[in-house]
Amino acid sequence: KAGVTQTPRYLIKTRGQQVTLSCSPISGHRSVSWYQQTPGQGLQFLFEYFSETQRNKGNFPGRFSGRQFSNSRSEMNVSTLELGDSALYLCASSLETGGGIAAFFGQGTRLTVV
Amino acid sequence: AQKITQTQPGMFVQEKEAVTLDCTYDTSDPSYGLFWYKQPSSGEMIFLIYQGSYDQQNATEGRYSLNFQKARKSANLVISASQLGDSAMYFCAMRESGGSYIPTFGRGTSLIVHP
Repeated sequence: KAGVTQTPRYLIKTRGQQVTLSCSPISGHRSVSWYQQTPGQGLQFLFEYFSETQRNKGNFPGRFSGRQFSNSRSEMNVSTLELGDSALYLCASSLETGGGIAAFFGQGTRLTVV
Repeated sequence: AQKITQTQPGMFVQEKEAVTLDCTYDTSDPSYGLFWYKQPSSGEMIFLIYQGSYDQQNATEGRYSLNFQKARKSANLVISASQLGDSAMYFCAMRESGGSYIPTFGRGTSLIVHP
């Protein structure tokens, strides 16, 4: 069974640009959650999608948005990038909303904003 | 206020020895779940073990066990017979059944296993 796949693995963008990250969950999983991980703030929840609907949202500005497609694949978009958006972005999939018993994470997309 | 506290930024252990990683939590929700994840340098978060607040017995998964002390609000991870491949960051997380149902993660503990 294929795991959670995140693309791209690495990304370098310039301030002011926008970026789209992709996450393909484990087959059959309908919940996809996104997290931002930085040395200063640790692991912070961005949002969760379940069956194409945003179920939960963390405390991030509106520049961070996401969506989920009918095949459960999810994309996260960050507009008007700032230096502070440099981070590892992790996607997690699970059968149930909120992560269930266990969420399965991808290897992440490491975004560097210069 | 921190909901999950991991007081050990770094830990060292000799190969084949056991090690305990500390985690304390804060919640008023009677129903919650506690998780431990491992994050190697590759970045992927790997689920290790889960403990529900109503579970009577401590969770175990292979070499991993969770020392759940509900009254003290602690959920320490015990790794027995450490291996070199256990070197990684370890995160404790909690999900409360009330509210948003979204997990909160601790800041992590870096474990280094020496040969």
